[in-house]
Amino acid sequence: DTEVTQTPKHLVMGMTNKKSLKCEQHMGHRAMYWYKQKAKKPPELMFVYSYEKLSINESVPSRFSPECPNSSLLNLHLHALQPEDSALYLCASSQAPGGEGNQPQHFGDGTRLSIL
Amino acid sequence: GDSVTQMEGPVTLSEEAFLTINCTYTATGYPSLFWYVQYPGEGLQLLLKATKADDKGSNKGFEATYRKETTSFHLEKGSVQVSDSAVYFCALKVAGRRALTFGSGTRLQVQP
Repeated sequence: DTEVTQTPKHLVMGMTNKKSLKCEQHMGHRAMYWYKQKAKKPPELMFVYSYEKLSINESVPSRFSPECPNSSLLNLHLHALQPEDSALYLCASSQAPGGEGNQPQHFGDGTRLSIL
Repeated sequence: GDSVTQMEGPVTLSEEAFLTINCTYTATGYPSLFWYVQYPGEGLQLLLKATKADDKGSNKGFEATYRKETTSFHLEKGSVQVSDSAVYFCALKVAGRRALTFGSGTRLQVQP
């Protein structure tokens, strides 16, 4: 069982819809991440939050808007997505918010997103 | 920059065969090394890790040894099962950087 919980597991939306992906962890981790994974590819980093503050944005289009309401929750707000945004969106967390140390990232099962 | 190179897949084995998945890396700092596994329809699970040279990570019968001299972290298992069929990702993290660097992944198919 994963300790990082993502909802929903599947999401189908039109290009004009607004939806949100949610991620929750209760391991006391202070760094949280969003990744995008296309089929047969490794995950690609999108955003990093450290102590609830955005610390890395990997040049992600503004139609993706992250939010970290508290240390346990991470949201990804979606608006006006394109068909090429269809992918598996993975949330992860880790102990070391400053990047120091050797702590691994723990992943959720992801949200499989399909854009019509 | 940092990079991870994994052997091309898919790797197809019969049950109880010996498994090796090669992984080599380049890093500008001193990395920690990880193997993650992704079962169909699921997220990534941490399989094992090693944080310094000559460390051996192990879990569920899988092992990998951090070889600094050859910059390698090959994954091995003595006897695979059908349930081991999945995609395996080698990854590294350099202290001071927040991001993981992933290899391209190797799909393992185990046949009964």
